[in-house]
Amino acid sequence: EPEVTQTPSHQVTQMGQEVILRCVPISNHLYFYWYRQILGQKVEFLVSFYNNEISEKSEIFDDQFSVERPDGSNFTLKIRSTKLEDSAMYFCASSRDRTETQYFGPGTRLLVL
Amino acid sequence: EDQVTQSPEALRLQEGESSSLNCSYTVSGLRGLFWYRQDPGKGPEFLFTLYSAGEEKEKERLKATLTKKESFLHITAPKPEDSATYLCAVMKTSYDKVIFGPGTSLSVIP
Repeated sequence: EPEVTQTPSHQVTQMGQEVILRCVPISNHLYFYWYRQILGQKVEFLVSFYNNEISEKSEIFDDQFSVERPDGSNFTLKIRSTKLEDSAMYFCASSRDRTETQYFGPGTRLLVL
Repeated sequence: EDQVTQSPEALRLQEGESSSLNCSYTVSGLRGLFWYRQDPGKGPEFLFTLYSAGEEKEKERLKATLTKKESFLHITAPKPEDSATYLCAVMKTSYDKVIFGPGTSLSVIP
C-alpha cells in the first residue's frame, strides 16, 4: 500500500541553523501539507501546497519557513534560522484532492539545542 | 472560533470491555470529519472519514458515527493492540487544513 515517507527520522540542530525536512508524498496525490506536533500537544497545521504554490498557511508559518517541490517526487520544508521553540515532530501529509483524506508520514523529530 | 474537543482525555479498559470515545466540534461549514490512530512517536494513521450526519463507518472492532455536533468512535471488545491515542480532526469547506482535537489516550489491559 502506498505511503508517505519522510527523512530524516530524527534531526538535532543548533539554534540559528537551517534545516530541511524531506517528504515523498503518495505518487498520485496532488495536495501536500506540513503539520507539527510539539510534545504533548495537538497536531497543528502549518501549510498546504498545490500546483507548485502555497494554497493556505497558518500564523505559525512565518518568514522563517518555506516549502518547495524541487522535483516530481520530493516535498520539502525549510526552516531558515531555527529557534528552541521549533523543536517538535513535523509531519508531512498528502491527499488526492482538496476534499479527500490526508495521509500522514511517520514524522521527523526535530530537536533544536 | 473553530474548536474540536475530545473526551475522555484518557481511558483505561479491560480487554473485551467495550466503550466509546467522543469528539465534539464547533466549526462553520464542515466538509469532513476524520478519525486517526497515533502510536507514540509515530504519525497519525488514517481510520475513517465521515462526511454527513447519520453516516457510519466500520473497520474490525471500530465503528465511527457522526451527528451535526459530535462523532463517536465505538470500540467493541478491544484488545491490547488497540492501545493508542485516537485523534479526531475536522476539515472546513473553506479551508485545506485539518483541525485536530487533543486526542483520547486509550489503554487496553490484558
